[in-house]
Amino acid sequence: GAVVSQHPSWVICKSGTSVKIECRSLDFQATTMFWYRQFPKQSLMLMATSNEGSKATYEQGVEKDKFLINHASLTLSTLTVTSAHPEDSSFYICSALTSAQVVGEQFFGPGTRLTVL
Amino acid sequence: AQSVTQPDIHITVSEGASLELRCNYSYGATPYLFWYVQSPGQGLQLLLKYFSGDTLVQGIKGFEAEFKRSQSSFNLRKPSVHWSDAAEYFCAVGAKAAGNKLTFGGGTRVLVKP
Repeated sequence: GAVVSQHPSWVICKSGTSVKIECRSLDFQATTMFWYRQFPKQSLMLMATSNEGSKATYEQGVEKDKFLINHASLTLSTLTVTSAHPEDSSFYICSALTSAQVVGEQFFGPGTRLTVL
Repeated sequence: AQSVTQPDIHITVSEGASLELRCNYSYGATPYLFWYVQSPGQGLQLLLKYFSGDTLVQGIKGFEAEFKRSQSSFNLRKPSVHWSDAAEYFCAVGAKAAGNKLTFGGGTRVLVKP
């Protein structure tokens, strides 16, 4: 089956630094990628939607200057958390959708746990 | 706006017993409905989906779900659980009219007793 990878799987950083998380579709081309945030024992909240070569569309309440999303190719999207603070600590999940799928059928990555000290 | 409620935060079931996870949704039209399973270290895996047609849908790993429009529900069932079914389960609703956004329920954690 289709595989979506995320790197790193976990990261610890100091407050004020920036962290980049990569999301790759390993064996298919993803026309759309989604970034979610999951708090402990809670559900996934959509942060943004990105289409290859276009600017990401952010959900209401998500700071686009803090969470920079780049979707430079059909197999790679990156999320950069800029000037991270402890409240940004969370589990970040990406998912990738092909042109043949409808939303809901996308493939999910394993997630990246970010801890900001 | 669409919303999804999973009333049970966690459920404990004995291995071999049946399992039913509840999901209620709120949406003006017929939504697309999904159930996912999340295991530690793995991405969410789609168990099954409902778009239209037969209201009883079969999924992977022996799971099935029934769409009941009158109750706005999409409950997930498995006749006999295995220890490997211990995980977090999420119900989700999506619709083209909602901008193709997927809205997740709060999740239900399933614990399986030997």
